[in-house]
Amino acid sequence: GAGVSQSPSNKVTEKGKDVELRCDPISGHTALYWYRQSLGQGLEFLIYFQGNSAPDKSGLPSDRFSAERTGGSVSTLTIQRTQQEDSAVYLCASSVGAFSSYNSPLHFGNGTRLTVT
Amino acid sequence: QKEVEQNSGPLSVPEGAIASLNCTYSDRGSQSFFWYRQYSGKSPELIMSIYSNGDKEDGRFTAQLNKASQYVSLLIRDSQPSDSATYLCAVGGSNYKLTFGKGTLLTVNP
Repeated sequence: GAGVSQSPSNKVTEKGKDVELRCDPISGHTALYWYRQSLGQGLEFLIYFQGNSAPDKSGLPSDRFSAERTGGSVSTLTIQRTQQEDSAVYLCASSVGAFSSYNSPLHFGNGTRLTVT
Repeated sequence: QKEVEQNSGPLSVPEGAIASLNCTYSDRGSQSFFWYRQYSGKSPELIMSIYSNGDKEDGRFTAQLNKASQYVSLLIRDSQPSDSATYLCAVGGSNYKLTFGKGTLLTVNP
């Protein structure tokens, strides 16, 4: 079956503009994560959705960042008034359940490379 | 602040040698441990998971976990040039958050 799909694959935007990044998880996966990876850095947790529960937004770096997940499937990460420090690869991942369960690894999408000029 | 530390490398080994990648973590409550491989410009892919102390072998890969020392490692036997990538250590606690290290760049020289 299809893997995690993210779009766009690349996005160049001007400072101050808003951007929307989309993630379509693997069908049947209830858990969805957004991570950010800056050049030479590890993966930074942003937000977690699990089923119909309230999302864990504790990793969002500022109130310019928001995310939603509609119908328990597709998720959109929105960055308002983008800044140059927002430039990074934004990775979405999904899993059958909470990753800490056995046989429930994270499956990553190919990411969206965001460049803010 | 939960931390996962890895030597950034680069780690360079000749083809056919054993590559040893190391990772330490700060949270003693951590319960699940993963190694991801990330090729340049690509997304991470899971190669090993380990949950209990000891060794776990899968083909040329062996993960080793020592919870008392808060240490997890990955051994790659008979290293191949195709193993050249960044290897990310990821640690999970009792909740759903995975904390990733910054990764170790491995280069296998033909």
